[in-house]
Amino acid sequence: DGGITQSPKYLFRKEGQNVTLSCEQNLNHDAMYWYRQDPGQGLRLIYYSQIVNDFQKGDIAEGYSVSREKKESFPLTVTSAQKNPTAFYLCASSIAVGGRLYTGELFFGEGSRLTVL
Amino acid sequence: GENVEQHPSTLSVQEGDSAVIKCTYSDSASNYFPWYKQELGKGPQLIIDIRSNVGEKKDQRIAVTLNKTAKHFSLHITETQPEDSAVYFCAASTIQYGNKLVFGAGTILRVKS
Repeated sequence: DGGITQSPKYLFRKEGQNVTLSCEQNLNHDAMYWYRQDPGQGLRLIYYSQIVNDFQKGDIAEGYSVSREKKESFPLTVTSAQKNPTAFYLCASSIAVGGRLYTGELFFGEGSRLTVL
Repeated sequence: GENVEQHPSTLSVQEGDSAVIKCTYSDSASNYFPWYKQELGKGPQLIIDIRSNVGEKKDQRIAVTLNKTAKHFSLHITETQPEDSAVYFCAASTIQYGNKLVFGAGTILRVKS
Protein backbone atom coordinates (compact mmCIF):
# COMPACT_ATOMS: atom_id res chain seq x y z
CA ASP A 1 0.00 0.00 0.00
CA GLY A 2 1.37 3.40 -0.96
CA GLY A 3 1.10 6.16 1.57
CA ILE A 4 2.60 8.31 4.29
CA THR A 5 3.64 6.84 7.62
CA GLN A 6 4.09 9.06 10.65
CA SER A 7 5.49 7.92 13.96
CA PRO A 8 5.01 7.99 16.82
CA LYS A 9 1.24 8.54 16.92
CA TYR A 10 1.45 9.97 20.45
CA LEU A 11 4.47 11.58 22.08
CA PHE A 12 4.99 13.17 25.45
CA ARG A 13 7.85 15.56 26.10
CA LYS A 14 9.19 17.32 29.11
CA GLU A 15 9.91 21.01 28.79
CA GLY A 16 13.42 21.66 27.50
CA GLN A 17 13.66 18.44 25.50
CA ASN A 18 13.99 18.15 21.74
CA VAL A 19 11.83 15.53 20.02
CA THR A 20 11.88 14.20 16.47
CA LEU A 21 8.80 13.16 14.54
CA SER A 22 9.26 10.68 11.74
CA CYS A 23 7.63 10.89 8.31
CA GLU A 24 8.18 8.32 5.56
CA GLN A 25 6.46 8.10 2.17
CA ASN A 26 6.52 5.47 -0.57
CA LEU A 27 4.55 7.48 -3.14
CA ASN A 28 7.70 8.57 -4.98
CA HIS A 29 6.75 12.21 -4.39
CA ASP A 30 9.39 14.90 -4.61
CA ALA A 31 7.64 17.38 -2.30
CA MET A 32 7.04 16.88 1.41
CA TYR A 33 5.52 19.15 4.04
CA TRP A 34 5.00 19.53 7.77
CA TYR A 35 1.85 21.19 9.08
CA ARG A 36 0.79 22.03 12.59
CA GLN A 37 -2.89 21.75 13.52
CA ASP A 38 -4.38 23.59 16.49
CA PRO A 39 -8.11 23.76 17.29
CA GLY A 40 -9.81 26.54 15.35
CA GLN A 41 -6.67 27.51 13.41
CA GLY A 42 -6.63 25.17 10.47
CA LEU A 43 -3.36 23.81 9.15
CA ARG A 44 -0.30 26.01 9.32
CA LEU A 45 2.81 25.25 7.27
CA ILE A 46 6.01 24.69 9.28
CA TYR A 47 8.51 23.57 6.63
CA TYR A 48 8.41 22.12 3.16
CA SER A 49 10.83 20.47 0.77
CA GLN A 50 10.53 20.44 -3.01
CA ILE A 51 13.47 18.15 -3.61
CA VAL A 52 16.05 16.09 -1.75
CA ASN A 53 18.70 18.09 0.15
CA ASP A 54 16.63 21.26 -0.02
CA PHE A 55 13.91 22.69 2.23
CA GLN A 56 12.27 26.06 2.96
CA LYS A 57 10.64 27.65 5.97
CA GLY A 58 6.90 27.89 6.04
CA ASP A 59 4.81 30.36 8.02
CA ILE A 60 5.65 29.12 11.53
CA ALA A 61 9.19 27.66 11.32
CA GLU A 62 10.57 29.16 14.53
CA GLY A 63 11.51 26.46 17.03
CA TYR A 64 11.47 23.66 14.45
CA SER A 65 14.09 22.05 12.22
CA VAL A 66 13.98 19.50 9.39
CA SER A 67 16.25 17.51 7.11
CA ARG A 68 15.69 15.91 3.72
CA GLU A 69 18.56 13.50 3.10
CA LYS A 70 16.40 10.92 1.34
CA LYS A 71 13.44 11.32 -0.98
CA GLU A 72 11.32 9.06 1.23
CA SER A 73 12.00 10.73 4.55
CA PHE A 74 11.34 14.18 6.04
CA PRO A 75 11.80 14.17 9.84
CA LEU A 76 10.73 17.14 11.96
CA THR A 77 12.54 18.11 15.17
CA VAL A 78 10.61 20.17 17.69
CA THR A 79 13.28 21.99 19.66
CA SER A 80 13.19 23.45 23.14
CA ALA A 81 12.99 26.88 21.48
CA GLN A 82 9.39 26.19 20.38
CA LYS A 83 7.35 28.03 23.01
CA ASN A 84 4.08 26.17 22.62
CA PRO A 85 4.79 22.77 21.05
CA THR A 86 1.67 20.89 22.19
CA ALA A 87 -0.23 20.25 18.94
CA PHE A 88 -1.19 17.74 16.27
CA TYR A 89 1.49 17.48 13.58
CA LEU A 90 0.72 16.37 10.04
CA CYS A 91 3.16 15.33 7.35
CA ALA A 92 2.15 15.41 3.69
CA SER A 93 3.61 14.81 0.27
CA SER A 94 2.79 15.82 -3.29
CA ILE A 95 4.08 15.92 -6.82
CA ALA A 96 6.62 18.57 -7.69
CA VAL A 97 7.36 19.49 -11.29
CA GLY A 98 10.80 20.69 -12.25
CA GLY A 99 11.68 21.19 -8.58
CA ARG A 100 8.65 23.40 -8.04
CA LEU A 101 5.44 22.65 -6.18
CA TYR A 102 2.53 21.58 -8.35
CA THR A 103 -1.08 22.59 -7.69
CA GLY A 104 -2.55 19.22 -6.91
CA GLU A 105 -3.47 16.79 -4.17
CA LEU A 106 -1.62 16.65 -0.88
CA PHE A 107 -1.44 13.18 0.64
CA PHE A 108 -1.41 13.31 4.43
CA GLY A 109 -0.24 10.91 7.08
CA GLU A 110 -2.38 10.14 10.13
CA GLY A 111 -0.56 12.61 12.32
CA SER A 112 1.48 12.71 15.52
CA ARG A 113 0.08 14.26 18.67
CA LEU A 114 2.74 15.91 20.80
CA THR A 115 2.02 16.84 24.39
CA VAL A 116 4.44 18.79 26.55
CA LEU A 117 4.18 17.87 30.21
CA GLY B 1 0.01 36.94 1.27
CA GLU B 2 -3.11 34.85 0.83
CA ASN B 3 -5.71 34.70 3.62
CA VAL B 4 -8.57 32.19 3.62
CA GLU B 5 -11.60 32.59 5.87
CA GLN B 6 -14.05 29.73 6.39
CA HIS B 7 -17.61 29.77 7.74
CA PRO B 8 -19.32 28.43 9.74
CA SER B 9 -16.95 26.96 12.30
CA THR B 10 -19.54 24.34 13.27
CA LEU B 11 -22.57 23.08 11.38
CA SER B 12 -25.24 20.62 12.50
CA VAL B 13 -27.70 19.18 10.01
CA GLN B 14 -30.30 16.46 10.04
CA GLU B 15 -29.51 13.35 8.05
CA GLY B 16 -30.75 13.79 4.50
CA ASP B 17 -30.51 17.58 4.56
CA SER B 18 -27.95 19.62 2.63
CA ALA B 19 -24.86 21.28 4.11
CA VAL B 20 -23.04 24.31 2.73
CA ILE B 21 -19.63 25.58 3.83
CA LYS B 22 -18.27 28.86 2.49
CA CYS B 23 -14.75 30.22 2.11
CA THR B 24 -13.42 33.57 0.98
CA TYR B 25 -9.89 34.28 -0.18
CA SER B 26 -7.93 37.49 -0.46
CA ASP B 27 -5.49 37.01 -3.36
CA SER B 28 -7.20 37.46 -6.73
CA ALA B 29 -4.34 35.51 -8.34
CA SER B 30 -5.29 32.30 -6.49
CA ASN B 31 -6.07 29.59 -9.01
CA TYR B 32 -6.57 26.29 -7.16
CA PHE B 33 -9.18 25.57 -4.49
CA PRO B 34 -9.31 22.12 -2.86
CA TRP B 35 -11.52 20.81 -0.08
CA TYR B 36 -10.25 18.29 2.46
CA LYS B 37 -12.18 16.07 4.86
CA GLN B 38 -10.60 15.04 8.17
CA GLU B 39 -12.13 12.24 10.19
CA LEU B 40 -11.39 11.92 13.88
CA GLY B 41 -7.76 10.98 14.56
CA LYS B 42 -6.88 10.86 10.87
CA GLY B 43 -5.10 13.06 8.38
CA PRO B 44 -7.12 15.17 5.91
CA GLN B 45 -8.12 13.65 2.56
CA LEU B 46 -8.92 15.51 -0.63
CA ILE B 47 -12.60 15.20 -1.53
CA ILE B 48 -12.95 17.66 -4.39
CA ASP B 49 -11.04 20.52 -5.97
CA ILE B 50 -11.65 23.23 -8.52
CA ARG B 51 -9.41 25.40 -10.64
CA SER B 52 -9.99 29.03 -11.49
CA ASN B 53 -11.06 28.36 -15.08
CA VAL B 54 -14.14 26.42 -13.89
CA GLY B 55 -17.21 27.73 -12.05
CA GLU B 56 -18.63 24.50 -10.67
CA LYS B 57 -17.64 20.89 -10.23
CA LYS B 58 -19.70 17.93 -8.99
CA ASP B 59 -18.85 14.48 -7.73
CA GLN B 60 -21.89 12.46 -6.68
CA ARG B 61 -23.29 14.14 -3.53
CA ILE B 62 -20.64 16.84 -3.27
CA ALA B 63 -20.12 19.94 -5.38
CA VAL B 64 -17.93 23.01 -5.27
CA THR B 65 -18.77 26.40 -6.73
CA LEU B 66 -16.33 29.23 -7.38
CA ASN B 67 -17.11 32.94 -7.76
CA LYS B 68 -13.88 34.61 -8.85
CA THR B 69 -15.37 38.09 -8.90
CA ALA B 70 -16.44 37.87 -5.28
CA LYS B 71 -13.42 35.74 -4.35
CA HIS B 72 -15.39 33.01 -2.63
CA PHE B 73 -16.00 29.31 -3.09
CA SER B 74 -18.37 26.90 -1.42
CA LEU B 75 -18.74 23.20 -0.69
CA HIS B 76 -22.20 21.71 -1.06
CA ILE B 77 -23.08 18.29 0.34
CA THR B 78 -26.51 16.92 -0.51
CA GLU B 79 -28.42 14.09 1.15
CA THR B 80 -26.05 14.13 4.12
CA GLN B 81 -25.27 10.87 5.89
CA PRO B 82 -23.77 10.18 9.35
CA GLU B 83 -20.46 9.27 7.72
CA ASP B 84 -20.23 12.83 6.39
CA SER B 85 -19.58 13.96 9.98
CA ALA B 86 -16.00 15.26 10.02
CA VAL B 87 -13.93 18.43 9.89
CA TYR B 88 -13.82 20.07 6.47
CA PHE B 89 -11.04 22.41 5.35
CA CYS B 90 -10.97 24.68 2.34
CA ALA B 91 -7.70 25.93 0.89
CA ALA B 92 -6.36 28.16 -1.85
CA SER B 93 -3.07 28.45 -3.67
CA THR B 94 -1.43 30.91 -5.99
CA ILE B 95 1.71 30.71 -8.07
CA GLN B 96 2.85 33.93 -6.41
CA TYR B 97 3.04 31.98 -3.15
CA GLY B 98 4.90 29.12 -4.82
CA ASN B 99 1.73 27.04 -5.19
CA LYS B 100 1.67 26.37 -1.44
CA LEU B 101 -1.78 25.84 0.03
CA VAL B 102 -3.25 28.26 2.58
CA PHE B 103 -5.96 26.56 4.63
CA GLY B 104 -9.11 27.88 6.23
CA ALA B 105 -9.72 27.28 9.94
CA GLY B 106 -12.04 24.32 9.34
CA THR B 107 -15.72 23.49 9.81
CA ILE B 108 -16.95 20.76 12.13
CA LEU B 109 -19.92 19.11 10.42
CA ARG B 110 -22.26 16.98 12.52
CA VAL B 111 -24.94 14.97 10.77
CA LYS B 112 -27.68 13.93 13.20
CA SER B 113 -29.56 10.72 12.50
